[in-house]
This record gives sequence, C-alpha cells and structure tokens, in this order.
Amino acid sequence: ETGVTQTPRHLVMGMTNKKSLKCEQHLGHNAMYWYKQSAKKPLELMFVYNFKEQTENNSVPSRFSPECPNSSHLFLHLHTLQPEDSALYLCASSQERGVGGGETQYFGPGTRLLVL
Amino acid sequence: GQNIDQPTEMTATEGAIVQINCTYQTSGFNGLFWYQQHAGEAPTFLSYNVLDGLEEKGRFSSFLSRSKGYSYLLLKELQMKDSASYLCAVMDSNYQLIWGAGTKLIIKP
Repeated sequence: ETGVTQTPRHLVMGMTNKKSLKCEQHLGHNAMYWYKQSAKKPLELMFVYNFKEQTENNSVPSRFSPECPNSSHLFLHLHTLQPEDSALYLCASSQERGVGGGETQYFGPGTRLLVL
Repeated sequence: GQNIDQPTEMTATEGAIVQINCTYQTSGFNGLFWYQQHAGEAPTFLSYNVLDGLEEKGRFSSFLSRSKGYSYLLLKELQMKDSASYLCAVMDSNYQLIWGAGTKLIIKP
C-alpha cells in the first residue's frame, strides 16, 4: 500500500536541533502510529492515535513529541535528540484501533534519521 | 514476557520453496500478521491469520497453529524480488502488535 507518505525521507540533525517528521495517510483510516525501527531489532511502537486521541505512549522519552491535528496527519516533533535515537522512523495507519483484522496496519516508507 | 521468535536469516535458490517459521508467546491472541520489507522501504502487508490452518495467496501461504503458538510463511517459485525481510507480528489481548525482529531472506540465482 502506498497510501501513507512520510517526509522527509532522510534527516541528519545535531543534538541541539529541533525538527519535525510528517506523515499523511490517504486511506480514510482513523488510527495512526509511530514506530522506531533499529537494525536487527523488532519494531518499537512509540505512539498511537485513534480518532485523533492519543491512546498509547510506550514510555517514550519527552524529547519525542507527537501531534495529530486530524485523522489524516501525524507529526513527530524532535528536540535535543541523542545519537542512539538514530533509526528508521515509520508511520502507519489502520482502519481503527482494537478490532483485530480491521487493524491491519499500512506503513509509510519511513524517515531515516541520523543524530550527530 | 511477550516474545516472538523467527530466524535471523535464511538463504534459498531462485525457483525453490522456502518456509519461514515464527513462534510466539503472548498475552492473549487476536491474530498473526506477516509483512514483507525490502531494504529501505516500508513494510507491506502479506497475510493475517486468526484461525488455525493454511491461507493461500498466490505464491505465498501462511499457516497458523494457535495451540502450538506457531506460524509459518511459505513462499513458492521464489523470485529474486522476494529477497527481503519478513516480519511476523502477533496482536495480543490489548490489540497491541508484538513484532519479531524479522527474517532476512536471501535468494540466490
């Protein structure tokens, strides 16, 4: 599925910078997700929004701040990151949260983040 | 704790068949997903199993045994484009997806 877009695709930032990642879904879904993907590790769920309301925050450091202005858009605001935050950040969407097969998640291409 | 196990890497030959296994221990079960992820690209949905048995979709099939906490993804008539990572994920009783680390499949001519 290519109905989920992410920008930028690549990002290099210093530890004192502030940047934002953007995700947009064109699938008419009501749930959106942020994941972190590090090499050879399972996907780590960071945040979940269902009908624009944040329903989960999986112990993510406060230097990551999500924003969901509507069901189609999701942002991840970044500030004072650490080098260990370098990873692929994936956005996903699903019809809605908590309905089993209806929760098939469709992913964007990700933002490859490098923190120097 | 919750855990998904799948082999780190497998190698197979073009035209052959390969089976990628996934075993899981989770708090509850609301279905098992398989995704394909090419290097540098988004994971793409392949299959969803919630009942025991085999689901076939063209060259790809997925099997589930809930009593054994086991699934496999079967790829037939392998093509070079099937070289990718294959991710197994289980939805637990809280409808949270628990992900495996993925199996990198290398196809050789």
